[in-house]
Amino acid sequence: AQTVTQSQPEMSVQEAETVTLSCTYDTSESNYYLFWYKQPPSRQMILVIRQEAYKQQNATENRFSVNFQKAAKSFSLKISDSQLGDTAMYFCAFCVQGAQKLVFGQGTRLTINP
Amino acid sequence: DAGVTQSPTHLIKTRGQQVTLRCSPKSGHDTVSWYQQALGQGPQFIFQYYEEEERQRGNFPDRFSGHQFPNYSSELNVNALLLGDSALYLCASSPLSERTYEQYFGPGTRLTVT
Repeated sequence: AQTVTQSQPEMSVQEAETVTLSCTYDTSESNYYLFWYKQPPSRQMILVIRQEAYKQQNATENRFSVNFQKAAKSFSLKISDSQLGDTAMYFCAFCVQGAQKLVFGQGTRLTINP
Repeated sequence: DAGVTQSPTHLIKTRGQQVTLRCSPKSGHDTVSWYQQALGQGPQFIFQYYEEEERQRGNFPDRFSGHQFPNYSSELNVNALLLGDSALYLCASSPLSERTYEQYFGPGTRLTVT
């Protein structure tokens, strides 16, 4: 069975700072996808960034980037120049190729302070 | 282009009752997945529908059932409600033909069982 672990229940940083959210996962599969989703207080889940396991290059989307360490089964999210609108729950998720079933971590509540 | 929509937004039911939740997928998407998100937790996969059939199922009892219609919309039915069924129920859609494995989430239905 696949599991996803987010070891930081809550984090808080000042606006414009850089913050890194941690995620580890466990799987015996070799082909899979990793995601970071954001769930603001309004609750709609939004995809932040996606990483294919077969790609060695770390994914980047504007201020968001990941550090994907396949051997260590680690997938952290870095948010640069954090903004007040980044305040949300962040979920790390995993999907085996061919399954389209997302396995989520417990989430990290991120607060950006002015 | 409308995204994933869900109805109703909120619902209050009594223990033992039955409930039906509805979801319309994003335009062009043919696969619908349902997730249960308990307060303060990550979403848990319930099941997935494609071509009007249940394609995958998570670890949920038979009290949870679903349906997909020819227009790809979907319903989630829960019978014999328990207090523990109180949660945010999320619907997500995706195009099976694409290999990105991204899922687009609706705003959810908040179910309270008293």
